Amino acid sequence: DAKTTQPPSMDCAEGRAANLPCNHSTISGNEYVYWYRQIHSQGPQYIIHGLKNNETNEMASLIITEDRKSSTLILPHATLRDTAVYYCIVKTGNQFYFGTGTSLTVIP
Amino acid sequence: SAVISQKPSRDICQRGTSLTIQCQVDSQVTMMFWYRQQPGQSLTLIATANQGSEATYESGFVIDKFPISRPNLTFSTLTVSNMSPEDSSIYLCSVEGESGSYYEQYFGPGTRLTVT
Repeated sequence: DAKTTQPPSMDCAEGRAANLPCNHSTISGNEYVYWYRQIHSQGPQYIIHGLKNNETNEMASLIITEDRKSSTLILPHATLRDTAVYYCIVKTGNQFYFGTGTSLTVIP
Repeated sequence: SAVISQKPSRDICQRGTSLTIQCQVDSQVTMMFWYRQQPGQSLTLIATANQGSEATYESGFVIDKFPISRPNLTFSTLTVSNMSPEDSSIYLCSVEGESGSYYEQYFGPGTRLTVT
């Protein structure tokens, strides 16, 4: 069962940072937070994941609060191609339980 | 990484019939997963399929309706049995694979099923 809650939709101006929040207040100590995105009903694509520390890769940054009850995905310079549904997932064992996701629209 | 293909990519079926969806991976993997995505909705995990053992189904999904086969480490099938219009969805398979120092799930392109 999904352990995450996200706002259903967000807009972001092209070139600006997109900050997507996620609540996971019931997360257990050894459960990772993963972020995926889905474009046009294609298969979801991995973005980033973390356990406790903030993480950064070529696509995004992940900020996890100290109590681990929430996190924020940051796309530093959003482009039109970043328009997609973004899913915050708590990995439970080997399983992914998807929440409802946030539909991000990048506006020119 | 893992490259996953699914067949068919889409199909239109009549109610009461069954459809078998194939999932092929380009490398050997232990765990495969099947998801359903109803129109406009998020992904829901149907079952986890390990090679050599019975699939493990999530609450709300049963083997009689969604039988799964996992004959080897690169292939799996999901059958949607006795279909009704409510089964119209995208069905996706995924695998867990290593990516450097961590594991991630790789998803196939999905099978879009319409039941009339």
